[in-house]
Amino acid sequence: EADIYQTPRYLVIGTGKKITLECSQTMGHDKMYWYQQDPGMELHLIHYSYGVNSTEKGDLSSESTVSRIRTEHFPLTLESARPSHTSQYLCASKGQQAPEAFFGQGTRLTVV
Amino acid sequence: KQEVTQIPAALSVPEGENLVLNCSFTDSAIYNLQWFRQDPGKGLTSLLLIQSSQREQTSGRLNASLDKSSGRSTLYIAASQPGDSATYLCAVGGVTGGGNKLTFGTGTQLKVEL
Repeated sequence: EADIYQTPRYLVIGTGKKITLECSQTMGHDKMYWYQQDPGMELHLIHYSYGVNSTEKGDLSSESTVSRIRTEHFPLTLESARPSHTSQYLCASKGQQAPEAFFGQGTRLTVV
Repeated sequence: KQEVTQIPAALSVPEGENLVLNCSFTDSAIYNLQWFRQDPGKGLTSLLLIQSSQREQTSGRLNASLDKSSGRSTLYIAASQPGDSATYLCAVGGVTGGGNKLTFGTGTQLKVEL
């Protein structure tokens, strides 16, 4: 079982609030990813990191930001949430030796 | 730009049937291909990963094949069970970046009925 955790699992928040979605992994993986998934749609990569102090934007433009200060932690922040940010956010990680990506349980965000 | 398509979008079968899920991709220059399972409201569970040099991988009742030249992969599920009901996602790792970035299909929603 993959040791990658996302909190919170569900979040309902008002427009304009600042939120941070947490993602942690205990596998020592160097690569971490954030994907956004709308209901019935494919996953889109919004951010990724290949190591500490390294972050890149993904294929889908997002107003969120990320940081990678520690190997095990890759939080995603929205400075001012809007209803258009309502979606499921999935975090993943991948190690040097194994090609497989492991996913967290996801955070379902609703902005009202 | 890589595009991944999965057919069918939804499938309903009686328990015990063998079934095949299809995945096609437009750019054959892939590093690897990974099949995932997603239960409603949950994250993804990795099922099988095929490297570009491999033709197939097996795990229990699951067998995934890869034909890179034709841009196709299939996931074969033998003797399906109600517990197999989920959405199955195919994801392609591109050569650029060593397979570290995945492009996903929209999935096949499978329902196995008693």
